[in-house]
Amino acid sequence: DGGITQSPKYLFRKEGQNVTLSCEQNLNHDAMYWYRQDPGQGLRLIYYSQIVNDFQKGDIAEGYSVSREKKESFPLTVTSAQKNPTAFYLCASSIEPEPWNEQFFGPGTRLTVL
Amino acid sequence: AQSVAQPEDQVNVAEGNPLTVKCTYSVSGNPYLFWYVQYPNRGLQFLLKYITGDNLVKGSYGFEAEFNKSQTSFHLKKPSALVSDSALYFCAVSSGAGSYQLTFGKGTKLSVIP
Repeated sequence: DGGITQSPKYLFRKEGQNVTLSCEQNLNHDAMYWYRQDPGQGLRLIYYSQIVNDFQKGDIAEGYSVSREKKESFPLTVTSAQKNPTAFYLCASSIEPEPWNEQFFGPGTRLTVL
Repeated sequence: AQSVAQPEDQVNVAEGNPLTVKCTYSVSGNPYLFWYVQYPNRGLQFLLKYITGDNLVKGSYGFEAEFNKSQTSFHLKKPSALVSDSALYFCAVSSGAGSYQLTFGKGTKLSVIP
C-alpha cells in the first residue's frame, strides 16, 4: 500500500451524520484521488486534486466534499446528502496528474451506515 | 467517453497452468492501459502499464500483458499460476484526450486451484 495511509480502517455512521475519511501520503505526489468501490462495480471516481488548493468532481461527487489544504492530505467528507454511502473507499495518489502515471492506493476505509 | 470491459467475472485455473485475464477498452486518442491487483479488504496494487512502444509489457510477480491495438485489447497473462495469485484483478484505461481520469473495469476474480 506504499506511502499512503487511510484512517480509520472501519467506520460506522448513523443516518444523517457527516463523517470524514482521512488520507495522507508521504510520496510527495502532486495528484490525489478518491474512489468508491461497490461489489461487482469496480472503482468509481468521486473527486480528484491535481495540486494544492484545487480539486475537481469525478463521476459520482454528489453527497461528498473534499479539501486539499496541504500537499500530503486529501480528506473526504461523506455528507448526509449521500443516500447510499455504505461502501469501501479508496484514496490514491500519482506523482503528477498525467494520464500515463500509475496511481498508488491506500489500504481503504470501509464505511457502514447503521 | 472511455470504457473498459472485463468479460469474465471469474476465472479458474489450476496451479502451474498458464492464466489469462481478458480486458478490452474504448477511448478517444491514445490509450494508456493499466493492470492492478486487489487482495481481500486491501487497496489496489499496481502490476504493469502500457504507454507506448513494445506491445508486450512485463510487470510485477511474473505477470505480463499484450497490447493489441486492432482488437483494442490488453489481456493479462502469466505462464504458470500460483495459488497466491488468487485475487481480484482490475484493468484500467486513461487517454491523452484531455482527461486525467482513470476508468476501471468491474474486475475479474482469479482463483488458482491447488
